[in-house]
Amino acid sequence: NAGVTQTPKFRVLKTGQSMTLLCAQDMNHEYMYWYRQDPGMGLRLIHYSVGEGTTAKGEVPDGYNVSRLKKQNFLLGLESAAPSQTSVYFCASSTGFETQYFGPGTRLLVL
Amino acid sequence: DAKTTQPNSMESNEEEPVHLPCNHSTISGTDYIHWYRQLPSQGPEYVIHGLTSNVNNRMASLAIAEDRKSSTLILHRATLRDAAVYYCILGTYNTDKLIFGTGTRLQVFP
Repeated sequence: NAGVTQTPKFRVLKTGQSMTLLCAQDMNHEYMYWYRQDPGMGLRLIHYSVGEGTTAKGEVPDGYNVSRLKKQNFLLGLESAAPSQTSVYFCASSTGFETQYFGPGTRLLVL
Repeated sequence: DAKTTQPNSMESNEEEPVHLPCNHSTISGTDYIHWYRQLPSQGPEYVIHGLTSNVNNRMASLAIAEDRKSSTLILHRATLRDAAVYYCILGTYNTDKLIFGTGTRLQVFP
């Protein structure tokens, strides 16, 4: 039982490049979330999903897209990376109201 | 979403109790109080949550004021491993998301 895993762990991008972050969970959770955390700051919700095939915007959705084609996976895409998107990205999953389980994070540096 | 207010930082000595306060004066009747913590270089982890009554688990205790406008997370004997950022968050039973603030950074000294 791996819980929540994130791929990759670290990535460097040049401005304008695109990439996809993968989040996978093996707990059969309906809800999945993407957060970003900037240095010295709390977590901010980017997008979330309440079930397979659904997505919704969080606090800071601009510049990101998401997809939930399979229940166990939640993808976060950056179509044209900007330096302001340099951050640590955390994925989480839950059964809904109950505890959110977080992944180890992906460190992204955009030059 | 109702807002919470926490001190930016607190300090404790190892093996002493720690009381982490959280103010939530605009809490609604259906808001649960959640606590998460984030150890250095890790994702957040759940600590405890409650509605009206005080709650205990293996990690901590949650004391909720009678008017529910404030709460306190209690670590009974702080260890060095408890050094983390602690987040107090409000969410209703039907909420589909939690909004994290900046939390309280707890330092634990040997």
